Amino acid sequence: DAMVIQNPRYQVTQFGKPVTLSCSQTLNHNVMYWYQQKSSQAPKLLFHYYDKDFNNEADTPDNFQSRRPNTSFCFLDIRSPGLGDAAMYLCATSRGFRGGTDTQYFGPGTRLTVL
Amino acid sequence: DQQVKQNSPSLSVQEGRISILNCDYTNSMFDYFLWYKKYPAEGPTFLISISSIKDKNEDGRFTVFLNKSAKHLSLHIVPSQPGDSAVYFCAASEIGTASKLTFGTGTRLQVTL
Repeated sequence: DAMVIQNPRYQVTQFGKPVTLSCSQTLNHNVMYWYQQKSSQAPKLLFHYYDKDFNNEADTPDNFQSRRPNTSFCFLDIRSPGLGDAAMYLCATSRGFRGGTDTQYFGPGTRLTVL
Repeated sequence: DQQVKQNSPSLSVQEGRISILNCDYTNSMFDYFLWYKKYPAEGPTFLISISSIKDKNEDGRFTVFLNKSAKHLSLHIVPSQPGDSAVYFCAASEIGTASKLTFGTGTRLQVTL
């Protein structure tokens, strides 16, 4: 089945220790997204890639970076995690229909704990 | 500024009855709306969507209604089943942006026996 895969599902890191979260997709979608979701809150878009074009949200902290080495993979790097970065990180993909409706499909998420 | 609002954080419905989840939005540029279902420790799963050219879209037990003049949409689940117990998120985007979904804060649906 075509899908969005996130690894690991659970990640524990220490305060200030860099961490990388991984996302891959077999849907061959053009767009890949990273969201942060904290308890009882709406998912918050951090950034997205349309093919190789990176689009950062204005309020995404510099501490968060992303890489998309190819169509299938996208990484979220947190350079110096703080306690406030503990959250569920969701990866999503979409075809990227510019002139029409575009549905996003989500992976299972990575739960990040910062000690 | 919460552009998509789900004012009911939780809803309890008996099995077999209708569940109605509501969502309001403030941005008149939104023209594509989606509902996602989320189980604990999993990512949101796409459920159903509707574009602004329609006022109703149906898929099996799930129907979404859109009232553009009121900037309101609702998800109806008939009949409700215990497996429907989850958090439901309403989301909206502007056609042509292809990139940005604005989510509500979710409604937790509990379907009881």
